[in-house]
Amino acid sequence: ETGVTQSPTHLIKTRGQQVTLRCSSQSGHNTVSWYQQALGQGPQFIFQYYREEENGRGNFPPRFSGLQFPNYSSELNVNALELDDSALYLCASSPVTGTYNEQFFGPGTRLTVL
Amino acid sequence: TQLLEQSPQFLSIQEGENLTVYCNSSSVFSSLQWYRQEPGEGPVLLVTVVTGGEVKKLKRLTFQFGDARKDSSLHITAAQPGDTGLYLCAGEGYSYGKLTFGQGTILTVHP
Repeated sequence: ETGVTQSPTHLIKTRGQQVTLRCSSQSGHNTVSWYQQALGQGPQFIFQYYREEENGRGNFPPRFSGLQFPNYSSELNVNALELDDSALYLCASSPVTGTYNEQFFGPGTRLTVL
Repeated sequence: TQLLEQSPQFLSIQEGENLTVYCNSSSVFSSLQWYRQEPGEGPVLLVTVVTGGEVKKLKRLTFQFGDARKDSSLHITAAQPGDTGLYLCAGEGYSYGKLTFGQGTILTVHP
């Protein structure tokens, strides 16, 4: 069973640029969530995708957008990058089963905005 | 807005000591998850507690969910250097599977 994978591992961009991060979910998982983790902080929820539709969103501006594809993989797009967008971006997949939702995280993409 | 307060933020102890990490909220969660994160990696799920008052044990780690499902604790017995890492609690809301994370506890166990 393949776990959650993310690409790229590291990325350096300049302010104002756009970035796309990619995530492949764990086999059998149909829900993908994205989180932003600043240094020394816990992850902050950005949004979740289920069946290719956004299924909930955290307190992030519209320049953070996403997609989910029929194979359940996902992309996170960030436009007009700001210095504060520098963080570890985590993708988590989960099977929608039962009454709770265990999420399994990828290794993350470290984004640095200069 | 659901918030989780995790304490302490930093913990530095000697091998063999016991420790407890607390996770508190004014909100009720459908489940509470504990993760461990190594530098440069994503969080790894340790346990999920679902029922109020539930206690789960994972070797030397004991996890408890409060009766009102607003708080949780992680107790480690006889800590080892391999326990070093960032410990995160995360509560799942009822509307969809959004996780609200605490700010984390950085644990360092010295040999």
